[in-house]
Amino acid sequence: RKEVEQDPGPFNVPEGATVAFNCTYSNSASQSFFWYRQDCRKEPKLLMSVYSSGNEDGRFTAQLNRASQYISLLIRDSKLSDSATYLCVVNQAGTALIFGKGTTLSVSS
Amino acid sequence: EAGVAQSPRYKIIEKRQSVAFWCNPISGHATLYWYQQILGQGPKLLIQFQNNGVVDDSQLPKDRFSAERLKGVDSTLKIQPAKLEDSAVYLCASSLGRGTVNTGELFFGEGSRLTVL
Repeated sequence: RKEVEQDPGPFNVPEGATVAFNCTYSNSASQSFFWYRQDCRKEPKLLMSVYSSGNEDGRFTAQLNRASQYISLLIRDSKLSDSATYLCVVNQAGTALIFGKGTTLSVSS
Repeated sequence: EAGVAQSPRYKIIEKRQSVAFWCNPISGHATLYWYQQILGQGPKLLIQFQNNGVVDDSQLPKDRFSAERLKGVDSTLKIQPAKLEDSAVYLCASSLGRGTVNTGELFFGEGSRLTVL
């Protein structure tokens, strides 16, 4: 079983749509959770951290369910510029980040 | 502020040849990582350095891969001999502290794209 699992997609949505990505992790000792964004042929960049209470950054909402070992990312009112691969990331104290395979989003006009 | 610098950006070699990649992290970042990203996959950690010491190299194929960070600043990743399955992007990243538990922010370089023929 992989440490971090994501639906690879692709998710093809029209502009303005709401889309949700899910991710599960296998190690219950994981302490920190993040979503990274990776544009085509570019390096990954931090999108947002994920907290147990849920957190929002503009059109993006991240949620964590520790009991189910489940992380989600919701994007509202999708823009063309949201087209990218979204990487679910976890780590334990003192360790490097562990990345999922990523979910590809394509937003069309 | 200058970002993470990597070179070369692209490299094409034949199998069984050797290759080396260089990384200069953001100034003041104590922790340096090398990740391998195969097409269609997420980045996979190869090795993590804290200053000039190795924190984690459990996933580094040590029969062919080696890495060093002699003065605790820049780093070199070497592959010798290369195999076809080593074709990937090699991403170097740095962070202020170890594990980045608090912020989760790794700063990645643009990567070195390796093609092994």
